[in-house]
Amino acid sequence: DVKVTQSSRYLVKRTGEKVFLECVQDMDHENMFWYRQDPGLGLRLIYFSYDVKMKEKGDIPEGYSVSREKKERFSLILESASTNQTSMYLCASSYHRVLAKNIQYFGAGTRLSVL
Amino acid sequence: KQEVTQIPAALSVPEGENLVLNCSFTDSAIYNLQWFRQDPGKGLTSLLLIQSSQREQTSGRLNASLDKSSGRSTLYIAASQPGDSATYLCAVRPKGTGGFKTIFGAGTRLFVKA
Repeated sequence: DVKVTQSSRYLVKRTGEKVFLECVQDMDHENMFWYRQDPGLGLRLIYFSYDVKMKEKGDIPEGYSVSREKKERFSLILESASTNQTSMYLCASSYHRVLAKNIQYFGAGTRLSVL
Repeated sequence: KQEVTQIPAALSVPEGENLVLNCSFTDSAIYNLQWFRQDPGKGLTSLLLIQSSQREQTSGRLNASLDKSSGRSTLYIAASQPGDSATYLCAVRPKGTGGFKTIFGAGTRLFVKA
């Protein structure tokens, strides 16, 4: 079974802190994604990566950055956390080839509260 | 701009009932449509993936259909059980974005009463 692991289930941080959310997948997937999920808004794509050291902005990249130094690990960074970044963060991964059949596999999520 | 809408937002049914969840999307240029299940406080689990060339997919008590021309998909759940209680999300992968972007609906929260 594909496993996508997010390092923390719950995090509480203070405004202005630098926050790292880590995601690791064990199936050698090329593609990795970071989403945030908010009530009534569904999932929104923050950043994605289709290869090591490659990254592309999603729909809401402002206030976030990412790092992909190894194929299996994709990190989301909040440079200076703000209260409006309180949310559920979901990491996903998928194969690169045959996009029409490309299934995304999700981690359990990290619920971040910024006080 | 592709938008995905799910109606109703919430649904409560008695155990054993057959039910249909609806998903609509505004642009028919898609690679595929995927249905997910999300339990409270958890990540998403893929249920069914329908390619743009397909009309339906089945897995156990679940059947998903796709009518690309009308921008609609339905998820049919037969003989519902309390364990089916969860939020169900549909998502489309639009063409023209390199295939990497997925647009999600806000979900239908299902509660099956024992």
